[in-house]
Amino acid sequence: GNSVTQMEGPVTLSEEAFLTINCTYTATGYPSLFWYVQYPGEGLQLLLKATKADDKGSNKGFEATYRKETTSFHLEKGSVQVSDSAVYFCALSDRRNDMRFGAGTRLTVKP
Amino acid sequence: EPEVTQTPSHQVTQMGQEVILRCVPISNHLYFYWYRQILGQKVEFLVSFYNNEISEKSEIFDDQFSVERPDGSNFTLKIRSTKLEDSAMYFCASSAEDLYNEQFFGPGTRLTVL
Repeated sequence: GNSVTQMEGPVTLSEEAFLTINCTYTATGYPSLFWYVQYPGEGLQLLLKATKADDKGSNKGFEATYRKETTSFHLEKGSVQVSDSAVYFCALSDRRNDMRFGAGTRLTVKP
Repeated sequence: EPEVTQTPSHQVTQMGQEVILRCVPISNHLYFYWYRQILGQKVEFLVSFYNNEISEKSEIFDDQFSVERPDGSNFTLKIRSTKLEDSAMYFCASSAEDLYNEQFFGPGTRLTVL
């Protein structure tokens, strides 16, 4: 079945550091890929998405590229801020319309 | 901007009691979902619902769980006889009928079973 494997956390960075959170997936067919963010005490918010191979999703300085050859969708940001501290979830969804999430990676950014 | 809403935000119940968690999806969406997140753990898919019937369900969604769209706007999750291990955050989501399957999530209901 479909699944997502995400880099184990927690990740602690200093402000303005470069961020990478690795995500790989297993799926039959051609799923859409997503990154969701969960700020403390809040629900899930869509951060970015990509719907086909080589698509790049981007939002708020975050980027991720859908790599079919490596079945990956790594999240990157060039310069993190304290306000980026949250839990980040990689997810995939196929035509069956259920979303499969990774375990989540907790990011803490220190000033 | 339209959003998914959920009530209550926090529900406390005694073990063995029935609970109903309510969701109002985005009005023109056709697919509806429930997920749960046990504290500190991953978000787990429970069930998807389309055209007034369950389209997919996970192994977690056993006979204790049921879903309903009683009136064309609400989407409910019922747990018949709650157990301690049902304590979790429950998220409702909805999506429009498109190829991209983007789901919009509600803020969640925290269920605490004592």
